[in-house]
Amino acid sequence: DAGVIQSPRHEVTEMGQEVTLRCKPISGHNSLFWYRQTMMRGLELLIYFNNNVPIDDSGMPEDRFSAKMPNASFSTLKIQPSEPRDSAVYFCASSLGGVRVQALHFGNGTRLTVT
Amino acid sequence: SQQGEEDPQALSIQEGENATMNCSYKTSINNLQWYRQNSGRGLVHLILIRSNEREKHSGRLRVTLDTSKKSSSLLITASRAADTASYFCATDNDMRFGAGTRLTVKP
Repeated sequence: DAGVIQSPRHEVTEMGQEVTLRCKPISGHNSLFWYRQTMMRGLELLIYFNNNVPIDDSGMPEDRFSAKMPNASFSTLKIQPSEPRDSAVYFCASSLGGVRVQALHFGNGTRLTVT
Repeated sequence: SQQGEEDPQALSIQEGENATMNCSYKTSINNLQWYRQNSGRGLVHLILIRSNEREKHSGRLRVTLDTSKKSSSLLITASRAADTASYFCATDNDMRFGAGTRLTVKP
């Protein structure tokens, strides 16, 4: 199994640009999570999908952030427009299970730098 | 706010010693999970303990769960330098993480 695949691994962009982060969950997993990690704020849950439906998006910081899961094998997190304070490592994770989550499998993350 | 809160924030021990870290949570759960994160990498799932279990072992890891106190502990026995990492807990009904425990094992 290839595990959770995130792309790109690194992204450097200028303030105001649109950024799209991508995630391919483990095949057969029906839950998908997006997290953001910074030194200041730690690991924050941004949004959680179950069976491709957003269940909890209370962690999405503001309207500049949006996430989609058009099918069971692909999700995107988009930031438009990006700001320097969005600089962080963004992780995607997937798991089996519905409302009661089983073990999460994390990708290696996308390190975003907004200048 | 997150369910799982880890303590201590940092722990430094010598190789061969045991390391214990704790997790507290707020509401009822079906399971609690422990994860490890090496610097710059994604979290790795270590062990899951269900609400009807009191103790679980996996290699050098021992996890306990006290649902009456809403707390869990992770014990790493005979620690190694390679155990140096941050450790996090999360509950199945929330999946938010606290600040973690930063463990340093000195060779």
